[in-house]
Amino acid sequence: QSVLTQPPSASGTPGQGVTISCSGSGSNIGTNTVNWYQQLPGTAPKLLIYSNNKRPSGVPDRFFGSKSGTSASLAISGLQSEDEADYYCAAWDDSLNGGVFGGGTKLTVL
Amino acid sequence: EVQVVQSGAEVKKPGESLKISCKGSGYDFTTYWIGWVRQMPGKGLEWMGIIYPGDSDTRYSPSFQGQVTISADKSSSTAYLQWSSLKASDTAMYYCARGVSGLLLLQNGAFDVWGQGTMVTLSS
Repeated sequence: QSVLTQPPSASGTPGQGVTISCSGSGSNIGTNTVNWYQQLPGTAPKLLIYSNNKRPSGVPDRFFGSKSGTSASLAISGLQSEDEADYYCAAWDDSLNGGVFGGGTKLTVL
Repeated sequence: EVQVVQSGAEVKKPGESLKISCKGSGYDFTTYWIGWVRQMPGKGLEWMGIIYPGDSDTRYSPSFQGQVTISADKSSSTAYLQWSSLKASDTAMYYCARGVSGLLLLQNGAFDVWGQGTMVTLSS
């Protein structure tokens, strides 16, 4: 059971938008920033969003991160087939004195 | 170019020891945290631990404390993950990744550069 809770799956059609949620607690998301990672099939994870809502260079602005209280969300607009991947949220947990990941959400582009 | 490059795949037997590596280049290795992440077959990412090569300050997830040892060699810009006695359940892909600069708050850092992964397979 992951410390951060994500839906196991999400889906959308090309051009549509989709939102993936990440629920935590006061010792992680409630206190620290949230990062999101994208893992394409058979590849290493890639940083997608850091510090709740910042995009590294090269990440399209179709990807948008937000945080409110003890929850965070990743919104993807204008879905493309290449967005089909697993998405993970992550944060530091002060109680564990370490990082934690969500269980991951498998995004399918129909 | 900033990169971290991991050692190759390993096939080991239960009870054997193992040390895998992660070499950083293109940046000052001693001033960024380096973390390790496990991904068991078909499963999600698990945060194992992190080390600051500058002073070897190391933090472990409670799930991995005592099960593995994380270390770093500043002279070769290399971080290590090691086991003294492998178990069948250690079969997984292990990733290293560069964390936040030591000048910033560890709690608000992210893994911005990832290695290619090291597959560890246990087979009796």
